[in-house]
Parts: sequence; structure tokens; C-alpha cells
Amino acid sequence: EAGVAQSPRYKIIEKRQSVAFWCNPISGHATLYWYQQILGQGPKLLIQFQNNGVVDDSQLPKDRFSAERLKGVDSTLKIQPAKLEDSAVYLCASSLDGQRYGYTFGSGTRLTVV
Amino acid sequence: AQSVTQPDIHITVSEGASLELRCNYSYGATPYLFWYVQSPGQGLQLLLKYFSGDTLVQGIKGFEAEFKRSQSSFNLRKPSVHWSDAAEYFCAVGANNMLTFGGGTRLMVKP
Repeated sequence: EAGVAQSPRYKIIEKRQSVAFWCNPISGHATLYWYQQILGQGPKLLIQFQNNGVVDDSQLPKDRFSAERLKGVDSTLKIQPAKLEDSAVYLCASSLDGQRYGYTFGSGTRLTVV
Repeated sequence: AQSVTQPDIHITVSEGASLELRCNYSYGATPYLFWYVQSPGQGLQLLLKYFSGDTLVQGIKGFEAEFKRSQSSFNLRKPSVHWSDAAEYFCAVGANNMLTFGGGTRLMVKP
């Protein structure tokens, strides 16, 4: 089966600019996650979708970050305006039933804010 | 809320030596536990997972992990390390259909 697809792989922007990341999960996976991984740290959950509804966005900085999941399939994560501390790898993951089958991660988008 | 601690930030072992990476978790109920590996510039690859049953879990690439409820631990082991095992290793606990990660352990392998 195809894996979780993410684009772009790399992005460099200046602070205060906006940026968007795209994720296409594994077909049939109802749950989709966005994680932020700052260099040298473990991934931190930003937002979790179940189909096209938000399950948990408690750690999403809502003043600048937004996310949507179109028709319960693809998802887009946006940052506007970006700050230097947003430099990180943004990982998308999906699961059919994470507790039983685990979670599949994409290769991530590496964002550098200068 | 669940949490994961990986006490060792960096570990260096010689090629061919045995390896043990430590992981401690905090969660009120029976945890679902995972180990992932991340090579530079790559995504996270699942090594193994524990849901229930036998507390010794076998994974890919010759790795295994043992769940010890009394110690709240899920340590990762490999009897003989290869140079290609150099990477970052993350322990994670699954609860409420989401993963919470530890801070990771960076493994370096000496020739």
C-alpha cells in the first residue's frame, strides 16, 4: 500500500511570511495527525482529526496555526505569520486504529524560518 | 495524561556490542507502547509495538523490547549492533488513539 505522502519536503521562508503543508494519508485511514518535531526533540502532537472533525487541537498555537482536513482525506497545515521558533520538521501520520495497528508516518516537511 | 521519558540523550556503542535503550512511561491504564527509529532526514519507522500478551516483543531489524509493568518500562534491546543502526530512537505511548513521544535517544556506533 502507498504510504503517507507529504509535500513539500523542504521549505525556507522569512519570518512573518505564511506557509502551507499538505498531507495525503493512507487510503481508508480515518485518523490523521500533525506533529511538530523541533531539532533534538521528540515529535509533539499539534492536531488530530477523525475523518474531517477535530479530535484534539489543544497544543496547536491557534493564533498562527490552522489546519483542515478536506472531505476526511487530505489535510493542510498552515502557519501565518511564521516565527523563527516554528523552524522544525512537520510530520503527518495516519492510522486505521492506532491502538491495534499502529501509526504510519510520512517523511515530513522540514521548515526553516529565517 | 500520559508521558514518556528516555533518560539517555546519547549512547555510543561499538559495532557488534549489545544495546539497551531505556524507556519509562507514565499512564494510568494498560499502555500501548511503541519504538520508532528515525534516520537523518527520514520519517519515523516503526520497530515494534506492544499491545497485550507476551511481554517480550520482537521487532524488525533484530530488535526486541520487554514490557515491565512493575517498573513502567519498555526497554529496547539488540544483541549485536550494526553500523547501520546509528539513528535516533523514540519510545512512544499510545492512549486515546494518539501517540505521545519521548525525547529520543541518539545512537552512535563506533567501528
